[in-house]
Amino acid sequence: DAKTTQPNSMESNEEEPVHLPCNHSTISGTDYIHWYRQLPSQGPEYVIHGLTSNVNNRMASLAIAEDRKSSTLILHRATLRDAAVYYCTLLTNRDDKIIFGKGTRLHILP
Amino acid sequence: EADIYQTPRYLVIGTGKKITLECSQTMGHDKMYWYQQDPGMELHLIHYSYGVNSTEKGDLSSESTVSRIRTEHFPLTLESARPSHTSQYLCASSVAAAGADTQYFGPGTRLTVL
Repeated sequence: DAKTTQPNSMESNEEEPVHLPCNHSTISGTDYIHWYRQLPSQGPEYVIHGLTSNVNNRMASLAIAEDRKSSTLILHRATLRDAAVYYCTLLTNRDDKIIFGKGTRLHILP
Repeated sequence: EADIYQTPRYLVIGTGKKITLECSQTMGHDKMYWYQQDPGMELHLIHYSYGVNSTEKGDLSSESTVSRIRTEHFPLTLESARPSHTSQYLCASSVAAAGADTQYFGPGTRLTVL
């Protein structure tokens, strides 16, 4: 299975942008990059996904490196409610079982 | 956005009791999943289903069983609860979309077996 590597934890100040990195050096051509996050005491929630081009939605932006071996989830203006564990994972369009790693625990400082 | 419900949210029970954790979704998703997560640890897939009368074991071995008699309902049962079953159990369902399925999670059931 393709694997991802994320920092264990990160800190950011409230109302500042946050860049969460993910390395996936063994990504294959059919792998989509998916991001989920898990707020405290809740189940994970879908954030965003992409294949090659950068993607934007109401929650975040996803910047994908040209060689696709890494990606960055961007929260444009972090709030205290964004404190969560962020998971980066790879899925093909035939996959339906997500392998959640340890993710990055994001702390937001007021 | 999918609506997926789990009951109970919290359950404290004694060793040896039979328990059923309920999971229901109202979006008509064919695929449903159960994950187990210990505090501060990773999620592990323990069961999944592709539709009615379909159930499969996940990557993490579990003594629990599941059933899928109706599309919207995917209960998990422990015949005889033990302290080692203490954990959080998360249910999810998914819909196919461009770029692989997107999973929607319920709020979880936190189980404590004394």
